[in-house]
Amino acid sequence: LAKTTQPISMDSYEGQEVNITCSHNNIATNDYITWYQQFPSQGPRFIIQGYKTKVTNEVASLFIPADRKSSTLSLPRVSLSDTAVYYCLVGDWTGGFKTIFGAGTRLFVKA
Amino acid sequence: DTAVSQTPKYLVTQMGNDKSIKCEQNLGHDTMYWYKQDSKKFLKIMFSYNNKELIINETVPNRFSPKSPDKAHLNLHINSLELGDSAVYFCASSQGASGSGTQYFGPGTRLLVL
Repeated sequence: LAKTTQPISMDSYEGQEVNITCSHNNIATNDYITWYQQFPSQGPRFIIQGYKTKVTNEVASLFIPADRKSSTLSLPRVSLSDTAVYYCLVGDWTGGFKTIFGAGTRLFVKA
Repeated sequence: DTAVSQTPKYLVTQMGNDKSIKCEQNLGHDTMYWYKQDSKKFLKIMFSYNNKELIINETVPNRFSPKSPDKAHLNLHINSLELGDSAVYFCASSQGASGSGTQYFGPGTRLLVL
């Protein structure tokens, strides 16, 4: 599985757009890019997943450049409740599900 | 309805005891997992079962023994508990043996070994 690198922490204010970038230089052809969110005392929750270009859902957008060596999770107009740890995962889970979570990015949203 | 549930939510026990944590998913998934999240908040996969068959067994002491009676359940039994076993244990499930592997996590079981 490709190793990922994310900022350890980020601060933002309510109403701002937050972009969290993840580097995955060794991403393989079949790998997907998946982001999870974890609130304190809860299990991780799937946010968004993509393979290339841009993916958008009701929660976030995921931007993936053509070389796929990085990806950016974009959270529009964050609120206090978006304070959480965000994990970037890269992998192709065919034949096995050895999911490796990195340290994640701790996002703190201030009023 | 809770998609992935775990019991108990909290577990406080003495060193040397044996305990079990139960996990059930009602999503119809065929793959289930156990993760351990330690005090430093790193999530590490322990086991994965696909259609009741063990497919991943990370470097976990053999005091930990998963049991999958059916596709909807994956229980974790821990023998001779040690202080270092204190952590939050998460169960998860996903569908399919290929591709995206999106996982759905339970609420966690907070284990404290005294």
